[in-house]
Amino acid sequence: NAGVMQNPRHLVRRRGQEARLRCSPMKGHSHVYWYRQLPEEGLKFMVYLQKENIIDESGMPKERFSAEFPKEGPSILRIQQVVRGDSAAYFCASSPSGQDPTGELFFGEGSRLTVL
Amino acid sequence: GQNIDQPTEMTATEGAIVQINCTYQTSGFNGLFWYQQHAGEAPTFLSYNVLDGLEEKGRFSSFLSRSKGYSYLLLKELQMKDSASYLCAVRDSNYQLIWGAGTKLIIKP
Repeated sequence: NAGVMQNPRHLVRRRGQEARLRCSPMKGHSHVYWYRQLPEEGLKFMVYLQKENIIDESGMPKERFSAEFPKEGPSILRIQQVVRGDSAAYFCASSPSGQDPTGELFFGEGSRLTVL
Repeated sequence: GQNIDQPTEMTATEGAIVQINCTYQTSGFNGLFWYQQHAGEAPTFLSYNVLDGLEEKGRFSSFLSRSKGYSYLLLKELQMKDSASYLCAVRDSNYQLIWGAGTKLIIKP
């Protein structure tokens, strides 16, 4: 499967724990985006990364949230000291270029975080 | 601020035609996208418009009027599998995608 791979698909955490969500982009894609989606709502941009660089993190809360896309390995979205309001689906998408004319994004299946 | 408006929910009959509207106010414009998202699944790309007019792709067509800040997605010969949410997204001057909340389309036999 050459698609965008996210894991885990489902994650349950208690308040105060840490959540780590992983995303492997499509082969040949060097641009990764993280989105958050609450039930019955649209996608909310969080962060845009290229290999080893954060390009735009304007949608990501300043505290408790961080993201990285190392030279080797998947992109990771990390949420520290989770709270109930962090419960959501977190989607990762990738593209071959940040300014591709068609702009098509390829999405993973999402990671659904539930905070108890 | 930036805003994308779509109806929350629409209902249509199998075999019929439905038009889902999207209006937008964004800082700059570098294309408008429609994605389909089945419940619990990833969004998948449907169409892209950057110039005014109609883009046809099989049973699905997408229209854009930049002067009116308006687009629609037209679905013909509706099938039960078309029941999904349809997301409108606009790429602004910073090449960031601004997403609407999506329109949940319910198809009835």
